[in-house]
Formats: sequence, C-alpha cells, structure tokens
Amino acid sequence: ETGVTQTPRHLVMGMTNKKSLKCEQHLGHNAMYWYKQSAKKPLELMFVYNFKEQTENNSVPSRFSPECPNSSHLFLHLHTLQPEDSALYLCASSQDKIANYGYTFGSGTRLTVV
Amino acid sequence: KNQVEQSPQSLIILEGKNCTLQCNYTVSPFSNLRWYKQDTGRGPVSLTIMTFSENTKSNGRYTATLDADTKQSSLHITASQLSDSASYICVVLPGPPTFGRGTSLIVHP
Repeated sequence: ETGVTQTPRHLVMGMTNKKSLKCEQHLGHNAMYWYKQSAKKPLELMFVYNFKEQTENNSVPSRFSPECPNSSHLFLHLHTLQPEDSALYLCASSQDKIANYGYTFGSGTRLTVV
Repeated sequence: KNQVEQSPQSLIILEGKNCTLQCNYTVSPFSNLRWYKQDTGRGPVSLTIMTFSENTKSNGRYTATLDADTKQSSLHITASQLSDSASYICVVLPGPPTFGRGTSLIVHP
C-alpha cells in the first residue's frame, strides 16, 4: 500500500451509465491529481486540486467531472463515456502542487467502456 | 517546452544480467528527478529521488545517477530478477511533473 487508495480496482460500464471513481489519501498531502494512462502511452494529466481548489483542467471533456470535497478525497464522476475512454485511471497526491516532496500514486482503476 | 525522453523504449534481458536505462530532460526550472517502477495494470511506485546536488543514489539493486549539467539521468539495475519486469518511468519536478514515456523491461529466465 502506498497510502493512496483507489476504488474500484476494475470497472466495466456501458456508454450510457454513470459511475464514479474514488481516491483517498491519509498522507497529509494537500494536492491531488487525476491521470489517464492509455495502452503504450505516457501518463496524461487530467486535473489538479490544491487545497480542495481545482488549479488545472487539462482540456478534459466534460463527460469527466472531478470533485474534491476535502484534501483527503478526490472523485472522478463519469457519464456517457466513449470506448476510447477505456484506460487505467491513476490518482496521485503530493505535499503541495509544486510537488517537491512526496509524489505518491494509487494503484489505479482499470476502466473498460463497452 | 518541458520534455523528458527515455531510452530504450523497450529492453529484453536474461535473468541475472545488468542493464541501464537512460533519461534526458529539458525541464526548467529543475527541482528533482524521480524514477518510478510500474507493474502492468498498477500505479507507479517510487524507486529513487535525485535532487540537484546528488550524483548517485542506490536503492538495493537499483542505482540512479544524475548529471544536472548535461540534464541526463540513468537507472542501473544489477543482477536482474524476473520481478524486475515492468515499465520504468522517469519523472522531473517541480510539478505538475513531466513524465517520460517509460522503458518497458522484460526479464527472461
């Protein structure tokens, strides 16, 4: 365990479904991130939250909706996804958004859109 | 534009052999460089963190080097094991981090 917990580990959803990914950290970090990793591609930054405020949205389609109720929890709400959204979704956290210290990843959620 | 380039893209070696992975970066300003190991379908796990003043750092069979002048880093794996089969990702900070595409290492018995 890295200290960053993601649930569920695997998710299969239809294109008309609504689902949510959850990320939780108890490392005392103040910044949290969502990444998308498609097969044989580098990690793509999606969203950055610093002290519960969204500081970066990397041109992510609106069918992905993040929520950060507090510094320990981060959600990614999914609706009307496309098959090309199938990927490994990784959450990470760091002490702050400069991330000089303690950049830690969760184990990821493997999402398959059918 | 900040970039991190890793080579080789993939590598196959026999168990027990050594190997070296390369990382070149153009990120500025520079704070630290990290090597992560990512098993298939899992999140990356940190192996080493190199700051500007550090040249070499070891973590068991993994040894990382950093040349801040030439902006190059290497990860040397000694006496490889089957469990070393994974993707190795070079990451440069400050954040949000700049990621390399990774080197896929396969260790054969």
